[in-house]
Amino acid sequence: KAGVTQTPRYLIKTRGQQVTLSCSPISGHRSVSWYQQTPGQGLQFLFEYFSETQRNKGNFPGRFSGRQFSNSRSEMNVSTLELGDSALYLCASSSLQGGGTEAFFGQGTRLTVV
Amino acid sequence: SQQGEEDPQALSIQEGENATMNCSYKTSINNLQWYRQNSGRGLVHLILIRSNEREKHSGRLRVTLDTSKKSSSLLITASRAADTASYFCATHTGTASKLTFGTGTRLQVTL
Repeated sequence: KAGVTQTPRYLIKTRGQQVTLSCSPISGHRSVSWYQQTPGQGLQFLFEYFSETQRNKGNFPGRFSGRQFSNSRSEMNVSTLELGDSALYLCASSSLQGGGTEAFFGQGTRLTVV
Repeated sequence: SQQGEEDPQALSIQEGENATMNCSYKTSINNLQWYRQNSGRGLVHLILIRSNEREKHSGRLRVTLDTSKKSSSLLITASRAADTASYFCATHTGTASKLTFGTGTRLQVTL
């Protein structure tokens, strides 16, 4: 069974640009969550999708958005990039909504904003 | 915001020794999970302990949970160099899938 796939693995963008990150969950998993990891703030929850609906959102500005498609693949978008958006963005999928089981993480997308 | 703290922040031991990491959290939980991360890569799930459980084992891992003290510990026995990584506890509360992570412990196992 293929794991969670995130693309691209690395990305360099300029301040003010926008970026789209992609996540393909494990086959059959309908819950996808996104996390931001930085040295200063650690791992922070961004949002969660289940069956194409956003179920929960973390404390991030509106520049951060996401969506989920009917095949459970998910994308997150960050507009008007700031230097502080430089981070490792991690996607996790799970088989159930509600967090009662383990989450499977992708390798992450390392975003650098210059 | 992070649920709580982990200590120590860093731990250096020799191969064959045991490693213990502690996690404290702030609110009532449904379950607590431990994850490992190698060099800024993805997280790997290690073990999940539910709020009504007190201890759980998986191979060389032993996890305890004390809900009265809002704390958990992860014990890795007979550590190996391959155990070198950062370890995070994560708590799950409510009905969503959101996990709230601790600050992490960096474990270094030397030969």
